[in-house]
Amino acid sequence: AQRVTQPEKLLSVFKGAPVELKCNYSYSGSPELFWYVQYSRQRLQLLLRHISRESIKGFTADLNKGETSFHLKKPFAQEEDSAMYYCALSGLGSGGSNYKLTFGKGTLLTVNP
Amino acid sequence: NAGVMQNPRHLVRRRGQEARLRCSPMKGHSHVYWYRQLPEEGLKFMVYLQKENIIDESGMPKERFSAEFPKEGPSILRIQQVVRGDSAAYFCASSPGTVGYGYTFGSGTRLTVV
Repeated sequence: AQRVTQPEKLLSVFKGAPVELKCNYSYSGSPELFWYVQYSRQRLQLLLRHISRESIKGFTADLNKGETSFHLKKPFAQEEDSAMYYCALSGLGSGGSNYKLTFGKGTLLTVNP
Repeated sequence: NAGVMQNPRHLVRRRGQEARLRCSPMKGHSHVYWYRQLPEEGLKFMVYLQKENIIDESGMPKERFSAEFPKEGPSILRIQQVVRGDSAAYFCASSPGTVGYGYTFGSGTRLTVV
C-alpha cells in the first residue's frame, strides 16, 4: 500500500526565515514524488517533481530513499509563499502505469511579516 | 490554453437529488482523473478515464457514483441520490500521458448536500 504523511497540519514562520515542510512516504516500489501548492482561492498547481531535480520559486526537495522522505525546503520564506502544500506520490495503478497519485493531508504554511 | 475547466464551481443539492460535475481537460490531454477531498483530508483518487474508456475506477464508491469521458464533450462525474456524506470538493485533473509530467488540476467543484 502507498501512503504519504505530512506530520504538520500548520506551519508558521517569519519572513526571511528558513522553512521546511516535511513529507514521508511508504511505497514498496520506486516512487515518483511531487509537491503541489494551492494558493488562496486558486487551483492546485504542480510545484516540484523529484525526477526533474529543479528549483521552483526558491523551493527544493530531495528524495531520501533511506529515510523515505521528500521534504520541501526554502532558505528564506516570503509572504507570498503562504499557501497549502501537498506532498504526493505516484504509484502503480490497476491500469498498469504510475498514474495514481496518493496525497498527504497537506500543510498550511503561513509566512508572517 | 484555458487549462482544465470544471463546472459548476459550487453545487448545492438536496438529499436524494442527482449531482453532475463536468470536466473539460486541457487541450491535447487525453487522460482524465477525478479526485475527492473530504474536509480535513487529502485528495483521494476516484477514477481514471481515457476517451470512452474507464481505466481504473478502484476509488469510486460501489453505488451511486459513475463517471464517463465520451468521445465528444467533457468528462462527467455523476452522483445519484446524494447524501450528506457526499459533500466534498471534487477535483478533475488531466495529463498528456504518464504522470511523470504531473497532472494539471481544475479549480474543483464544491458539492454541498443539504
